[in-house]
Amino acid sequence: SAVISQKPSRDICQRGTSLTIQCQVDSQVTMMFWYRQQPGQSLTLIATANQGSEATYESGFVIDKFPISRPNLTFSTLTVSNMSPEDSSIYLCSVDKGASTEAFFGQGTRLTVV
Amino acid sequence: AQSVTQPDIHITVSEGASLELRCNYSYGATPYLFWYVQSPGQGLQLLLKYFSGDTLVQGIKGFEAEFKRSQSSFNLRKPSVHWSDAAEYFCAVGAGSGGYQKVTFGTGTKLQVIP
Repeated sequence: SAVISQKPSRDICQRGTSLTIQCQVDSQVTMMFWYRQQPGQSLTLIATANQGSEATYESGFVIDKFPISRPNLTFSTLTVSNMSPEDSSIYLCSVDKGASTEAFFGQGTRLTVV
Repeated sequence: AQSVTQPDIHITVSEGASLELRCNYSYGATPYLFWYVQSPGQGLQLLLKYFSGDTLVQGIKGFEAEFKRSQSSFNLRKPSVHWSDAAEYFCAVGAGSGGYQKVTFGTGTKLQVIP
């Protein structure tokens, strides 16, 4: 299994500002994933972060808006840039241990943009 | 590309009654299938998973799911629902090497349990 810590757990931000969300895993993992869950919606994959290379973004998501860092095998950050109310969502970090092929999730960061 | 359909947005059952949540998937090869539960204000917890082998999969909290390739389905069942089961349930399909390259989630089914 994997224990994932996300910070902050929630935040209220002004439009036009940026927020960086941190994701810390208790063990080394190759792949880390960032998801967005808009109110009342399912999870949508934003990007996949592989240590040592640039993140791969899904259709509809761009690096300028959601820059991601992956400095080592246990940590990643997602920044939500130039926020607007439409960015109000839960952002979740996820990891996969490879052999087990299941995804483990952090508790999420509930972001409200006002 | 893979996709998942959960046709029931909202289901209400009485405590003690049986439960079945529907899930249909689309994927060109043998899928990796998952059911996750999300309680209010909580993260996602894995209930069970199917990779291969026995098509009837047992999970935590008394849940089970059956993989039916002919119907492209992976329905979740529980014989007797408890009030604490009220939550949102997500079916998901994994694709790629080891299933972790990309996990696609269904839209979720919100379960309400009444006394």
